[in-house]
Amino acid sequence: GAVVSQHPSWVICKSGTSVKIECRSLDFQATTMFWYRQFPKQSLMLMATSNEGSKATYEQGVEKDKFLINHASLTLSTLTVTSAHPEDSSFYICSAGDTMWTGELFFGEGSRLTVL
Amino acid sequence: LAKTTQPISMDSYEGQEVNITCSHNNIATNDYITWYQQFPSQGPRFIIQGYKTKVTNEVASLFIPADRKSSTLSLPRVSLSDTAVYYCLVGGDDMRFGAGTRLTVKP
Repeated sequence: GAVVSQHPSWVICKSGTSVKIECRSLDFQATTMFWYRQFPKQSLMLMATSNEGSKATYEQGVEKDKFLINHASLTLSTLTVTSAHPEDSSFYICSAGDTMWTGELFFGEGSRLTVL
Repeated sequence: LAKTTQPISMDSYEGQEVNITCSHNNIATNDYITWYQQFPSQGPRFIIQGYKTKVTNEVASLFIPADRKSSTLSLPRVSLSDTAVYYCLVGGDDMRFGAGTRLTVKP
């Protein structure tokens, strides 16, 4: 199946710094990408939907100025957690649908962020 | 709010067949039903997708009644490695996950 790769798989940073997570579709063009966060023992929470070349659509309660999403190409989307704080520590997962998709999503491996 | 409802957890034993049902009363005409499996600290993995009736692949079957207001994921002869959280997802544009079903397979 299609492959989506996330980087880094884990990152530790100090409070107040910014962290960028990359999500790449390796063998298909992803017109739409989704970003999720997941806390321990909980389900995935959709943060935002991004379409290539346009601004991301954020879910209610997600601060767009804090979680910057850029989907500049059909193979790359980035999530930047700005001025990270300990409460931003979480597992972040991206997913992508290809141009012919019927709702099947291809997920990255996830990125675990720990803010000290 | 998620459009799906699943049991929070299920237990089974190795070798048994497991059926997990998902309710999606407000499914739209164009919506597909997709099931994913997630292990701890990993992204979800696609299991199966269907629109109506029955779909079968090498790992599971998906049963969808005529009214499409529910679907049942069937895992034949589960093993310990099938212990995971299973999510059903409905739709094409709305990719919000429900709570999922935590399946525990015991020896």
